[in-house]
Amino acid sequence: EVQLVQSGAEVKKPGESLKISCKASGYSFSSYWIAWVRQMPGQGLEWMGLIYPADSDTKYSPSFEGQVTISVDKSLRTAYLQWSSLKASDTAMYFCARPRLNDLLTGCPFWGQGTLVTVSS
Amino acid sequence: DIQMTQSPSSLSASVGDRVTITCQASQDISNYLNWYQQKPGKAPKLLIYDAFNLETGVPSRFSGSGSGTDFTFTISSLQPEDIATYYCQHYDNLPPMYTFGQGTKLEIK
Repeated sequence: EVQLVQSGAEVKKPGESLKISCKASGYSFSSYWIAWVRQMPGQGLEWMGLIYPADSDTKYSPSFEGQVTISVDKSLRTAYLQWSSLKASDTAMYFCARPRLNDLLTGCPFWGQGTLVTVSS
Repeated sequence: DIQMTQSPSSLSASVGDRVTITCQASQDISNYLNWYQQKPGKAPKLLIYDAFNLETGVPSRFSGSGSGTDFTFTISSLQPEDIATYYCQHYDNLPPMYTFGQGTKLEIK
């Protein structure tokens, strides 16, 4: 069974750094892209970026390029999303997701449970 | 970049009603259009992929149609458990980009 388990909720202050995780199980981790999606309070879904664990090829949405870093640790079967300096506007729920196929066209049937990040002074 | 325009943004209907949501792409995307359901506090759930294919385990009252630029998502007989926000979504390779529609919040009348 494919499972994506995300790290727990975080409360941080502006300017602090943060790294959240998404641990995969039940499939060949290196063989499938992992996506990160942001959902700000009361808002819709925004794609942030993708990473291919086999070679760490990473694609960012223009809206998030330079604002976050996506990485993986293949030995831990874990993908990460990190910030070097958080802003209040980073307050959101963050989801990781795995597409059905590696052509990325047929959607993401597998999702983590979400990590709530709250940034407040 | 391809834009996805979803409508309506909100919808109120009665149990048993037929509900329709539309999604329009800014250019031809063939049938590469997916539909998700999201309930409050939960991760999105993929319902329909490639415009009309029902994801495993999804009730048959959900369906999708369309190709090119115009797509439709239908619930044939609304059930109380269908209260959620629904999103259309497309992936484009050039440039690589997942694009979601703005969402449709479905409520019971």
